[in-house]
Amino acid sequence: QKEVEQDPGPLSVPEGAIVSLNCTYSNSAFQYFMWYRQYSRKGPELLMYTYSSGNKEDGRFTAQVDKSSKYISLFIRDSQPSDSATYLCAMSFNYGGSQGNLIFGKGTKLSVKP
Amino acid sequence: SAVISQKPSRDICQRGTSLTIQCQVDSQVTMMFWYRQQPGQSLTLIATANQGSEATYESGFVIDKFPISRPNLTFSTLTVSNMSPEDSSIYLCSVGVSNQPQHFGDGTRLSIL
Repeated sequence: QKEVEQDPGPLSVPEGAIVSLNCTYSNSAFQYFMWYRQYSRKGPELLMYTYSSGNKEDGRFTAQVDKSSKYISLFIRDSQPSDSATYLCAMSFNYGGSQGNLIFGKGTKLSVKP
Repeated sequence: SAVISQKPSRDICQRGTSLTIQCQVDSQVTMMFWYRQQPGQSLTLIATANQGSEATYESGFVIDKFPISRPNLTFSTLTVSNMSPEDSSIYLCSVGVSNQPQHFGDGTRLSIL
């Protein structure tokens, strides 16, 4: 079993839809949970960052962590064509993810159709 | 957040040759890392580039294949040596600052013929 599982998609939704992206993980020692957005031919861009369980909201984006279920989610409200990208979840044991022990999912490719 | 520049952005190389990728940061950072992103696979850490000492390699990656330099706190290079088609990948530099998640450069897209 891989440490982090993420459905690669592709996921296609109409503009304005609510998007739900998810990852599951096996190691309960993960403490820091991140979502990166990667546009084509670009590097991953940090989108959301959460410590331990709970919710975090930033504009149209909400990140949720359920450590009891080993499950994290990213919700995008009122999705826009500019949200079309690959979304990567990542996890870390310590140091806020600043050190080189980030474990990534494979990424979910999202396409938002006008 | 730090601005990270990688060069080259892409290259096509012949098998058996080597390529050196550069990573420049606009501020001094303690932690610099090199990752590989193969098609359909997760980002995988190759090594931590340590300033003034040898890099720390992850399991499955060796210094002879991926030599790394870190001459100062703003610059690092990764060399992909004796390349084969299996080395075709995106190579990414990242930095970690003050217990905040890593930030990444735009990567080097490498194709081996």
